[in-house]
Amino acid sequence: DAGITQSPRYKITETGRQVTLMCHQTWSHSYMFWYRQDLGHGLRLIYYSAAADITDKGEVPDGYVVSRSKTENFPLTLESATRSQTSVYFCASSESRVLSSGRRNEQFFGPGTRLTVL
Amino acid sequence: GQQVMQIPQYQHVQEGEDFTTYCNSSTTLSNIQWYKQRPGGHPVFLIQLVKSGEVKKQKRLTFQFGEAKKNSSLHITATQTTDVGTYFCESGGYNKLIFGAGTRLAVHP
Repeated sequence: DAGITQSPRYKITETGRQVTLMCHQTWSHSYMFWYRQDLGHGLRLIYYSAAADITDKGEVPDGYVVSRSKTENFPLTLESATRSQTSVYFCASSESRVLSSGRRNEQFFGPGTRLTVL
Repeated sequence: GQQVMQIPQYQHVQEGEDFTTYCNSSTTLSNIQWYKQRPGGHPVFLIQLVKSGEVKKQKRLTFQFGEAKKNSSLHITATQTTDVGTYFCESGGYNKLIFGAGTRLAVHP
């Protein structure tokens, strides 16, 4: 029972290079999310996806691209990495069952990818 | 835009002391979720609150949602070293999820 996994766990790259972070979940959750975590900012939503082939921007989408061709995978690509994108990246997933007013399903987070851009 | 302010940023307690973290918003929140993140780990869901004045307990943890649904608190009674980590609040719908900056709890034996 793998749950939600991320790869690689650690990555060092150089400014200007393209980097793809992978996220895979085995629960068939409809929703998937990408966050970045920086000291003093908590978690900030980059992109999310409500289902395969449906993606939308979060709070900080600039410099990132996502795709979701299959329900279980949600890769995040930095097309031209910058130093400001050095961060810890978390992927999360959630079911999409409709619940009572104001209530929604919990998010399950992956272990994270620590990315350093030199 | 909507913001969730979380205080304090850091708290250092002796084992056995109580701990409280607060989240405050200038606008009404539809729900609030609390997460715990151990050092080097990932956020783990603790609880969700949706009702005005709601209070929920999990062993030594007490979660409260304000009457006006603009603030929430997490209180830990008699902290243990296993409580070490960062506690985050989060609110919103799927298209606008906002996390507080977190409160880092250090517990000294």
